[in-house]
Amino acid sequence: NAGVTQTPKFQVLKTGQSMTLQCAQDMNHNSMYWYRQDPGMGLRLIYYSASEGTTDKGEVPNGYNVSRLNKREFSLRLESAAPSQTSVYFCASSEALRLAGQETQYFGPGTRLLVL
Amino acid sequence: RKEVEQDPGPFNVPEGATVAFNCTYSNSASQSFFWYRQDCRKEPKLLMSVYSSGNEDGRFTAQLNRASQYISLLIRDSKLSDSATYLCVVNLLLTTDSWGKFQFGAGTQVVVTP
Repeated sequence: NAGVTQTPKFQVLKTGQSMTLQCAQDMNHNSMYWYRQDPGMGLRLIYYSASEGTTDKGEVPNGYNVSRLNKREFSLRLESAAPSQTSVYFCASSEALRLAGQETQYFGPGTRLLVL
Repeated sequence: RKEVEQDPGPFNVPEGATVAFNCTYSNSASQSFFWYRQDCRKEPKLLMSVYSSGNEDGRFTAQLNRASQYISLLIRDSKLSDSATYLCVVNLLLTTDSWGKFQFGAGTQVVVTP
């Protein structure tokens, strides 16, 4: 099992350019997430998908869109990149959301994005 | 105020020593708690869940104090390989019909020195 995979690993964009970050998981998880990580800020949730066919905004959704293409894949799109979107982006998945129990999240290796 | 707060460190620890640090959370309705480990330029990985009664996993001990709203992590007999950033994660179940929202602390850096 590859777990959670992300592409690309690195990307440099110019302001105003668009791009899509790809994420796939092979653990048959229902829920998937996109986070960004900035120094001193911790991971912040951009969007999540509780299950196939649903997506919802997280803490910092502005400037992003997502698509839950199928159970395996969850993509993040930047329509018009801005320097403030320079960050490390992590995709994650977990088995289920509705329990108050101990679901854990499994993370992909991250995408480092620089917007000039 | 951040919902999950951690001392950023770094905690410089001699090899073989014990180090402990806390994480405070603001929402008393928080349901579940985790410690994740993140190595430099890598993804976070689950270190251990934190149970109400406290739990150990080898050299690592996690405690939960609901009254004071903090969790702690203690590392005994520190190894060089324990050098990492430790992220506190709190899962807030908003309602019984909605999903939990994972809140991450910014992390505590631990540096174990020879």
